[in-house]
Amino acid sequence: DTGVSQDPRHKITKRGQNVTFRCDPISEHNRLYWYRQTLGQGPEFLTYFQNEAQLEKSRLLSDRFSAERPKGSFSTLEIQRTEQGDSAMYLCASSFRQGNEKLFFGSGTQLSVL
Amino acid sequence: RKEVEQDPGPFNVPEGATVAFNCTYSNSASQSFFWYRQDCRKEPKLLMSVYSSGNEDGRFTAQLNRASQYISLLIRDSKLSDSATYLCAVIPGFQKLVFGTGTRLLVSP
Repeated sequence: DTGVSQDPRHKITKRGQNVTFRCDPISEHNRLYWYRQTLGQGPEFLTYFQNEAQLEKSRLLSDRFSAERPKGSFSTLEIQRTEQGDSAMYLCASSFRQGNEKLFFGSGTQLSVL
Repeated sequence: RKEVEQDPGPFNVPEGATVAFNCTYSNSASQSFFWYRQDCRKEPKLLMSVYSSGNEDGRFTAQLNRASQYISLLIRDSKLSDSATYLCAVIPGFQKLVFGTGTRLLVSP
C-alpha cells in the first residue's frame, strides 16, 4: 500500500495520560499535515511540515500538542495530559507541492479520552 | 465570519435526481479550491479540483465564481453510492487547506 499510513487506528486513554500517533506519508511527498476532526465538523488544521521543518502551527493548538518530523519522512503527534475535549479523529495528510496542492489523507487515528 | 462555509444539510434526494451544493469563502485572494468526499467514519478523499473555467468529471461538475466568492458542485443522475458528506476546501492565500463543515447528501431509492 503506497498511501498515507497512520498508527494506531484507535486509541482509548484515560484523562491525564500522554498519547503519541504516527503518520507515514506517501514517499515522494514532502509536505505533511495534521488535522483534527470531530463529529459534524470539517477537518481542522493543526500543523504542517515541509520536509523536516514545521512551517505553521494553529493558534488554537495548546502547548500540550507537539509534532515532529525528524528526518522529513514519518511524523509523530504527541498530546500530553490528555483532556476529554481532545477526543477526536486525528488525520494526517501529505502532498507534493506543485502549486495546486492536493492532499491525500490517511485513515486517521480515533482518540477517545475517558 | 468563517473562512469557508457550507450548508450542513442533509440534502435528501431520490435516485436519479440532480443536486447542487454551494460553498462560500471569505478570502478573496484564495487561489486553490477542491471538493472532497467523506464517507462515515472514513478519511476525506479528493473528489475534484475546481478550476476558474469550471470542470466536469462524469456526473460531477464543479464551478468557481470569484466575483461572489463561492464554489459549487453539481451531481447529476444521483446514485445510492453518492450518499456521503461533501467537503469544500480552500487554500486562502496561505499554505494550508481550510475545510468547510461539509454537506451531507442522502440518496434514497
